[in-house]
Amino acid sequence: EAQVTQNPRYLITVTGKKLTVTCSQNMNHEYMSWYRQDPGLGLRQIYYSMNVEVTDKGDVPEGYKVSRKEKRNFPLILESPSPNQTSLYFCASSLSSVVNYGYTFGSGTRLTVV
Amino acid sequence: AQTVTQSQPEMSVQEAETVTLSCTYDTSESDYYLFWYKQPPSRQMILVIRQEAYKQQNATENRFSVNFQKAAKSFSLKISDSQLGDAAMYFCGRGGTSYGKLTFGQGTILTVHP
Repeated sequence: EAQVTQNPRYLITVTGKKLTVTCSQNMNHEYMSWYRQDPGLGLRQIYYSMNVEVTDKGDVPEGYKVSRKEKRNFPLILESPSPNQTSLYFCASSLSSVVNYGYTFGSGTRLTVV
Repeated sequence: AQTVTQSQPEMSVQEAETVTLSCTYDTSESDYYLFWYKQPPSRQMILVIRQEAYKQQNATENRFSVNFQKAAKSFSLKISDSQLGDAAMYFCGRGGTSYGKLTFGQGTILTVHP
């Protein structure tokens, strides 16, 4: 089944403790992206990647890191999480940077930083 | 910044009735794509309908249709014969032909009353 697999589904952590949210897609998509969803703000792009070893900042990149060493994987790293990073996170992928067919989304990660 | 605006935080409809969700957007591109995504309580992002800006004909998918007004930069979603399973958060999104970015609105929560 074609999908984007995102883990974990839920995560509670403490301020300052490094964490990684994994994302993997099996569709050979070139483009991958991370979004965060907050009430009243919709989904905002954190980082994106056009291809292997090519990443760039989205609208809200502060406090996050990403890497794209393999085409299928695009992990999101929070090196020192803070409470304002409590949010619902989505990984998404697209065949190319021309998103004419939209994204395939992962199932989301609910992150709470205390 | 190129924005997408959903001015209705919440909407409600009676089962079997019709409801329209509004969306306006800003863009400097001549070629772009528009989407409506549904997010039920499971929080999965489900593509409902898409529209290519260069096509004047409004997209239709079963009970879902759009009213695309390119000059007014408006892209509303009409749900006919509403069903209980239509209850969800709905996001409007706009994507261009480069950088792969989908910009989303703030979302509209749709409640369906039996």
